[in-house]
Amino acid sequence: EPEVTQTPSHQVTQMGQEVILRCVPISNHLYFYWYRQILGQKVEFLVSFYNNEISEKSEIFDDQFSVERPDGSNFTLKIRSTKLEDSAMYFCASSDVFPDRTYFGPGTRLTVT
Amino acid sequence: SQQGEEDPQALSIQEGENATMNCSYKTSINNLQWYRQNSGRGLVHLILIRSNEREKHSGRLRVTLDTSKKSSSLLITASRAADTASYFCATDGNRGSTLGRLYFGRGTQLTVWP
Repeated sequence: EPEVTQTPSHQVTQMGQEVILRCVPISNHLYFYWYRQILGQKVEFLVSFYNNEISEKSEIFDDQFSVERPDGSNFTLKIRSTKLEDSAMYFCASSDVFPDRTYFGPGTRLTVT
Repeated sequence: SQQGEEDPQALSIQEGENATMNCSYKTSINNLQWYRQNSGRGLVHLILIRSNEREKHSGRLRVTLDTSKKSSSLLITASRAADTASYFCATDGNRGSTLGRLYFGRGTQLTVWP
């Protein structure tokens, strides 16, 4: 079965530092997403990306966040200046030509100290 | 809010028993998906049911959807200790577009005792 992959699996960073979380979506998918899950809480939508631009973002996705598809395979989430409350599991996801089943990656656990 | 909400929050059963989890949501949908998450791990897709479907099966899983009540149920038959995980429903909110954003509930923590 096709898989979404994410690196790193765990990232520890100091408050105020920039982090880049990386994802490789499934190769023929056209819709890409980032979600996050703070420990013990529900999975929350951050942003969707289609046709090389953001198609939707949540109120969580403020100016500190950005996404990029730098080449034909990678999809990245950048947090410019991390805060303690950014500590969470970040999931990348992708879906097909017409969003249907959404495939999630294994997640990157971000710890901000 | 369009989010699905699962019920119960926690469910504890013995191996071999059936586990039923419910999900309610607030707006119309195109489809509803169920995911499983082992502690601290990723989201594993279990099954998708479309708004024009009423029931779907996949192995030991049975999902029902009642759009008139805006609810869905996930039944795991003959449960195993390895089924211990959190189970989430996610809806797409029928936004009339192809954006694909999902709305998750808080999940049901299922514990299956050997």
